[in-house]
Amino acid sequence: EVQLVESGGGLVQPGGSLRLSCAASGFTFNTYGMNWVRQAPGKGLEWVSYITSSTGTTYYADSVKGRFTISRDNAKNSLYLQMNSLRAEDTAVYYCARESEGSAGTDYYYYMDVWGKGTTVTVSS
Amino acid sequence: DIQMTQSPSSLSASVGDGVTITCRASQSIGRYLNWYQQKPGKAPNLLIYAASSLQSGVPSRFSGSGSGTDFTLTISSLQPGDFATYYCQQTYSAPWTFGQGTKVEVK
Repeated sequence: EVQLVESGGGLVQPGGSLRLSCAASGFTFNTYGMNWVRQAPGKGLEWVSYITSSTGTTYYADSVKGRFTISRDNAKNSLYLQMNSLRAEDTAVYYCARESEGSAGTDYYYYMDVWGKGTTVTVSS
Repeated sequence: DIQMTQSPSSLSASVGDGVTITCRASQSIGRYLNWYQQKPGKAPNLLIYAASSLQSGVPSRFSGSGSGTDFTLTISSLQPGDFATYYCQQTYSAPWTFGQGTKVEVK
């Protein structure tokens, strides 16, 4: 079964740090780019970060750039999000999501087809 | 960044009704548009990618159309499990961005 399982969430004080993990199973992890997406309480979805499958090239939302670091360990089938200098507005459920590529005609399209159940991060004093 | 705007923000409908949700991009994104369904307390679930391609396992009552800046998600006959929030997402240009969501509620 294709599965993503997040862990590492919890309560942290403003300015603190937290490291999220996402364990992948049921698919060839090192052939997929991976995302972190978050959802603040009662709000919509916000893309946070992306890492490519093999080169490890990374991308970040402006809201987390310089504070968060995405990484992966393909040998362990795991994705990580190191979160530093946390703020109250980082409070959210954090999802990891697999990015797949599909073709339609002659073009290739990207979409998040497998999601974990999420881990909750609360930043509060 | 490309802004995605959905309308309406919410709608009320009954089982069996046809429902249409609109998503507009702030610039042309070709067909790089995905639709997700999210139920309370659950992760999003991919419905449609590339504007109109149905994800495997998704019922055929869901369909998507559009290109450029204007897109629609249509549910042909609403079923009890379809009451949820729906999001569009563009993957034309990083950062990927989502619409604000459309909540489909029971009338």
